[in-house]
Amino acid sequence: AQSVAQPEDQVNVAEGNPLTVKCTYSVSGNPYLFWYVQYPNRGLQFLLKYITGDNLVKGSYGFEAEFNKSQTSFHLKKPSALVSDSALYFCAVADNRDDKIIFGKGTRLHILP
Amino acid sequence: DTGVSQDPRHKITKRGQNVTFRCDPISEHNRLYWYRQTLGQGPEFLTYFQNEAQLEKSRLLSDRFSAERPKGSFSTLEIQRTEQGDSAMYLCASSPGRSGNTIYFGEGSWLTVV
Repeated sequence: AQSVAQPEDQVNVAEGNPLTVKCTYSVSGNPYLFWYVQYPNRGLQFLLKYITGDNLVKGSYGFEAEFNKSQTSFHLKKPSALVSDSALYFCAVADNRDDKIIFGKGTRLHILP
Repeated sequence: DTGVSQDPRHKITKRGQNVTFRCDPISEHNRLYWYRQTLGQGPEFLTYFQNEAQLEKSRLLSDRFSAERPKGSFSTLEIQRTEQGDSAMYLCASSPGRSGNTIYFGEGSWLTVV
């Protein structure tokens, strides 16, 4: 069965600094990896995904993520954080044999002005 | 293209009552998912459908929970004899159904059991 871990409950970053939100995963087959963002009292919004190909994936709002197969990681990154990036971020995983998508517990990103 | 629509957005019910949530997926999306999210937690998988077929149901889901997608379009999630522990946001999502496809979420239905 697939699983995903987000080791940090909260990440604090000063505006303008680079940010990283960590994610590690476990699957039986080949992974499909996703990042979503959630604002208060809203549903989840898709940011980006890795299916195959280039290990560096670019997504919405300037976010990108790097797939590392050897470390089974898919960390979310952004070169320069904005206050408006403050939200709850979820990493998710499925494998190519089971399309059920499993989410991590989330990381709250707080960008300090 | 309209997004995933969920109704009602908020529901307050007394313990022991039954509640039903409806989800209308994005048009032509044949895969539909239900998740439950409590405060401070990630979405917890409940069940999913491929067209009208229910492919999997979480073992965490008690017999009080049932989901249907009778014509392969909209879906309903019913909770019978609600308990305070059922208070959560119930999220619906849909996708075109091919492996690796992005799933798109609705705004969720908040349930409060008093």
